Amino acid sequence: AQTVTQSQPEMSVQEAETVTLSCTYDTSENNYYLFWYKQPPSRQMILVIRQEAYKQQNATENRFSVNFQKAAKSFSLKISDSQLGDTAMYFCAFMKHGAPGKLIFGQGTTLQVKP
Amino acid sequence: DAGVTQSPTHLIKTRGQQVTLRCSPKSGHDTVSWYQQALGQGPQFIFQYYEEEERQRGNFPDRFSGHQFPNYSSELNVNALLLGDSALYLCASTPWASGGRYQETQYFGPGTRLLVL
Repeated sequence: AQTVTQSQPEMSVQEAETVTLSCTYDTSENNYYLFWYKQPPSRQMILVIRQEAYKQQNATENRFSVNFQKAAKSFSLKISDSQLGDTAMYFCAFMKHGAPGKLIFGQGTTLQVKP
Repeated sequence: DAGVTQSPTHLIKTRGQQVTLRCSPKSGHDTVSWYQQALGQGPQFIFQYYEEEERQRGNFPDRFSGHQFPNYSSELNVNALLLGDSALYLCASTPWASGGRYQETQYFGPGTRLLVL
Protein backbone atom coordinates (compact mmCIF):
# COMPACT_ATOMS: atom_id res chain seq x y z
CA ALA A 1 0.00 0.00 0.00
CA GLN A 2 1.09 3.52 -0.70
CA THR A 3 1.52 6.12 2.00
CA VAL A 4 2.20 9.85 1.91
CA THR A 5 3.80 11.71 4.80
CA GLN A 6 3.95 15.43 5.42
CA SER A 7 6.07 15.99 8.49
CA GLN A 8 5.42 19.72 8.92
CA PRO A 9 1.94 20.30 10.40
CA GLU A 10 2.33 24.09 10.36
CA MET A 11 4.65 26.58 8.72
CA SER A 12 4.80 30.33 8.38
CA VAL A 13 6.61 32.67 6.02
CA GLN A 14 6.88 36.39 5.52
CA GLU A 15 5.29 37.89 2.48
CA ALA A 16 7.66 37.93 -0.55
CA GLU A 17 9.93 35.27 0.95
CA THR A 18 10.42 31.67 -0.14
CA VAL A 19 9.15 28.60 1.69
CA THR A 20 9.54 24.87 1.08
CA LEU A 21 7.00 22.25 2.13
CA SER A 22 8.17 18.66 2.51
CA CYS A 23 6.55 15.44 1.40
CA THR A 24 7.76 11.86 1.35
CA TYR A 25 5.94 8.84 0.04
CA ASP A 26 6.28 5.12 0.02
CA THR A 27 5.41 2.92 -2.96
CA SER A 28 6.66 -0.07 -4.88
CA GLU A 29 5.18 1.31 -8.09
CA ASN A 30 7.41 2.66 -10.84
CA ASN A 31 4.79 4.68 -12.73
CA TYR A 32 2.77 7.18 -10.76
CA TYR A 33 1.82 10.82 -10.40
CA LEU A 34 2.43 13.25 -7.58
CA PHE A 35 0.43 16.36 -6.82
CA TRP A 36 0.32 19.33 -4.54
CA TYR A 37 -3.16 20.61 -3.76
CA LYS A 38 -4.04 23.81 -1.93
CA GLN A 39 -7.12 24.08 0.30
CA PRO A 40 -7.87 27.65 1.46
CA PRO A 41 -10.29 28.30 4.33
CA SER A 42 -13.06 28.39 1.72
CA ARG A 43 -12.22 24.61 1.52
CA GLN A 44 -12.20 24.27 -2.29
CA MET A 45 -9.30 21.97 -3.15
CA ILE A 46 -7.22 23.50 -5.94
CA LEU A 47 -4.46 21.81 -7.92
CA VAL A 48 -1.17 23.64 -7.54
CA ILE A 49 1.24 21.46 -9.47
CA ARG A 50 1.68 17.88 -10.67
CA GLN A 51 4.62 15.67 -11.56
CA GLU A 52 4.78 12.50 -13.61
CA ALA A 53 7.23 10.04 -12.07
CA TYR A 54 8.75 9.11 -15.42
CA LYS A 55 9.80 12.71 -16.02
CA GLN A 56 13.12 13.64 -14.49
CA GLN A 57 12.56 17.35 -15.00
CA ASN A 58 11.00 19.08 -12.03
CA ALA A 59 7.60 20.67 -12.68
CA THR A 60 7.19 24.44 -12.43
CA GLU A 61 4.07 26.59 -12.39
CA ASN A 62 4.82 30.30 -12.04
CA ARG A 63 5.92 30.82 -8.42
CA PHE A 64 5.51 27.14 -7.55
CA SER A 65 8.12 24.50 -8.25
CA VAL A 66 8.87 21.03 -7.00
CA ASN A 67 11.99 19.12 -6.12
CA PHE A 68 11.24 15.53 -7.14
CA GLN A 69 13.74 12.96 -5.92
CA LYS A 70 12.43 9.60 -7.13
CA ALA A 71 15.08 7.44 -5.51
CA ALA A 72 14.58 9.16 -2.18
CA LYS A 73 10.78 9.18 -2.65
CA SER A 74 10.69 12.85 -1.85
CA PHE A 75 8.50 15.52 -3.41
CA SER A 76 8.86 19.00 -1.91
CA LEU A 77 7.04 22.16 -2.95
CA LYS A 78 8.80 25.51 -3.15
CA ILE A 79 6.76 28.68 -3.13
CA SER A 80 8.68 31.75 -4.21
CA ASP A 81 7.66 35.36 -3.57
CA SER A 82 4.97 34.22 -1.11
CA GLN A 83 1.71 36.14 -1.22
CA LEU A 84 -1.02 36.54 1.38
CA GLY A 85 -3.33 34.54 -0.88
CA ASP A 86 -1.02 31.54 -0.52
CA THR A 87 -2.28 31.09 3.05
CA ALA A 88 -3.94 27.68 3.02
CA MET A 89 -3.56 24.03 3.87
CA TYR A 90 -1.33 22.22 1.39
CA PHE A 91 -1.69 18.54 0.63
CA CYS A 92 0.73 16.27 -1.11
CA ALA A 93 -0.97 13.43 -2.99
CA PHE A 94 0.00 10.25 -4.83
CA MET A 95 -1.81 8.43 -7.61
CA LYS A 96 -0.80 5.13 -9.10
CA HIS A 97 -0.73 4.98 -12.89
CA GLY A 98 -3.75 3.06 -14.10
CA ALA A 99 -5.86 4.01 -11.11
CA PRO A 100 -7.26 7.36 -12.20
CA GLY A 101 -9.00 9.27 -9.50
CA LYS A 102 -7.74 7.35 -6.50
CA LEU A 103 -5.60 9.93 -4.77
CA ILE A 104 -3.74 9.13 -1.57
CA PHE A 105 -3.23 12.28 0.48
CA GLY A 106 -0.81 13.26 3.17
CA GLN A 107 -1.95 14.83 6.42
CA GLY A 108 -1.43 18.35 5.16
CA THR A 109 0.69 21.37 6.08
CA THR A 110 -0.97 24.59 7.16
CA LEU A 111 0.91 27.54 5.67
CA GLN A 112 0.48 31.03 7.06
CA VAL A 113 1.84 33.93 5.01
CA LYS A 114 2.45 36.95 7.22
CA PRO A 115 2.41 40.55 6.02
CA ASP B 1 -17.54 26.42 -17.87
CA ALA B 2 -19.15 25.14 -14.68
CA GLY B 3 -16.84 23.40 -12.28
CA VAL B 4 -17.71 20.58 -9.93
CA THR B 5 -20.78 21.36 -7.84
CA GLN B 6 -22.03 19.70 -4.67
CA SER B 7 -25.19 19.92 -2.63
CA PRO B 8 -26.06 20.62 0.06
CA THR B 9 -23.22 22.73 1.46
CA HIS B 10 -24.01 21.84 5.06
CA LEU B 11 -26.05 19.10 6.68
CA ILE B 12 -26.87 18.09 10.25
CA LYS B 13 -28.09 14.60 11.02
CA THR B 14 -28.48 12.42 14.09
CA ARG B 15 -26.96 9.03 14.74
CA GLY B 16 -28.67 6.18 12.93
CA GLN B 17 -30.10 8.35 10.19
CA GLN B 18 -29.33 8.09 6.51
CA VAL B 19 -27.93 10.86 4.29
CA THR B 20 -27.58 11.47 0.55
CA LEU B 21 -25.02 13.87 -0.88
CA ARG B 22 -24.98 14.98 -4.49
CA CYS B 23 -22.31 15.90 -7.01
CA SER B 24 -22.32 17.21 -10.57
CA PRO B 25 -18.99 16.80 -12.37
CA LYS B 26 -17.19 19.41 -14.36
CA SER B 27 -18.44 19.74 -17.92
CA GLY B 28 -16.86 17.07 -20.14
CA HIS B 29 -15.96 14.80 -17.22
CA ASP B 30 -17.46 11.35 -16.86
CA THR B 31 -15.73 9.98 -13.76
CA VAL B 32 -16.59 10.93 -10.20
CA SER B 33 -14.63 10.13 -7.06
CA TRP B 34 -15.73 10.71 -3.47
CA TYR B 35 -13.50 11.53 -0.52
CA GLN B 36 -14.04 11.94 3.21
CA GLN B 37 -12.01 14.61 4.97
CA ALA B 38 -12.06 14.64 8.76
CA LEU B 39 -11.24 17.93 10.43
CA GLY B 40 -7.55 18.74 10.16
CA GLN B 41 -6.79 15.63 8.10
CA GLY B 42 -6.15 14.81 4.49
CA PRO B 43 -8.99 13.46 2.34
CA GLN B 44 -9.50 9.70 2.20
CA PHE B 45 -10.74 7.99 -0.95
CA ILE B 46 -14.18 6.40 -0.58
CA PHE B 47 -14.99 5.17 -4.09
CA GLN B 48 -15.14 6.08 -7.76
CA TYR B 49 -17.84 5.81 -10.41
CA TYR B 50 -17.49 5.52 -14.15
CA GLU B 51 -20.14 4.36 -16.63
CA GLU B 52 -22.58 4.10 -13.72
CA GLU B 53 -20.47 1.44 -12.01
CA GLU B 54 -18.26 1.51 -8.95
CA ARG B 55 -14.73 1.10 -10.32
CA GLN B 56 -12.53 1.50 -7.29
CA ARG B 57 -13.23 1.49 -3.57
CA GLY B 58 -11.27 2.59 -0.56
CA ASN B 59 -11.37 1.14 2.92
CA PHE B 60 -14.90 2.16 3.85
CA PRO B 61 -17.73 -0.05 5.15
CA ASP B 62 -20.76 -1.04 3.13
CA ARG B 63 -22.76 1.69 4.90
CA PHE B 64 -21.20 3.93 2.27
CA SER B 65 -22.73 3.43 -1.13
CA GLY B 66 -23.10 5.43 -4.27
CA HIS B 67 -24.69 5.82 -7.60
CA GLN B 68 -23.91 7.47 -10.90
CA PHE B 69 -26.58 8.66 -13.29
CA PRO B 70 -26.51 8.71 -17.10
CA ASN B 71 -25.69 12.44 -17.02
CA TYR B 72 -22.55 11.54 -14.98
CA SER B 73 -23.79 13.15 -11.77
CA SER B 74 -23.37 11.08 -8.65
CA GLU B 75 -24.77 10.48 -5.19
CA LEU B 76 -23.09 9.32 -2.03
CA ASN B 77 -25.33 7.57 0.49
CA VAL B 78 -24.38 6.84 4.06
CA ASN B 79 -26.64 4.62 6.18
CA ALA B 80 -26.78 4.19 9.95
CA LEU B 81 -24.78 7.35 10.57
CA LEU B 82 -22.16 7.34 13.30
CA LEU B 83 -20.63 10.30 15.11
CA GLY B 84 -17.37 9.47 13.34
CA ASP B 85 -18.98 10.11 9.96
CA SER B 86 -18.89 13.83 10.69
CA ALA B 87 -16.58 15.24 8.04
CA LEU B 88 -16.27 17.25 4.87
CA TYR B 89 -17.26 15.11 1.90
CA LEU B 90 -15.52 16.05 -1.32
CA CYS B 91 -16.43 15.08 -4.82
CA ALA B 92 -13.86 15.17 -7.62
CA SER B 93 -14.21 14.61 -11.33
CA THR B 94 -11.97 13.75 -14.24
CA PRO B 95 -12.29 12.39 -17.77
CA TRP B 96 -11.70 8.66 -17.66
CA ALA B 97 -9.49 8.64 -20.71
CA SER B 98 -8.44 11.10 -23.33
CA GLY B 99 -6.22 10.38 -26.26
CA GLY B 100 -5.72 6.84 -25.09
CA ARG B 101 -4.23 7.66 -21.71
CA TYR B 102 -5.79 8.17 -18.34
CA GLN B 103 -6.38 11.71 -17.28
CA GLU B 104 -4.70 12.09 -13.94
CA THR B 105 -5.85 15.48 -12.68
CA GLN B 106 -8.82 15.59 -10.34
CA TYR B 107 -10.99 18.68 -10.09
CA PHE B 108 -12.67 19.06 -6.72
CA GLY B 109 -15.98 20.52 -5.66
CA PRO B 110 -16.43 22.73 -2.60
CA GLY B 111 -17.62 19.85 -0.44
CA THR B 112 -20.54 19.08 1.85
CA ARG B 113 -19.96 19.53 5.57
CA LEU B 114 -21.81 16.76 7.44
CA LEU B 115 -22.30 16.94 11.18
CA VAL B 116 -23.69 13.90 12.97
CA LEU B 117 -25.10 14.54 16.45
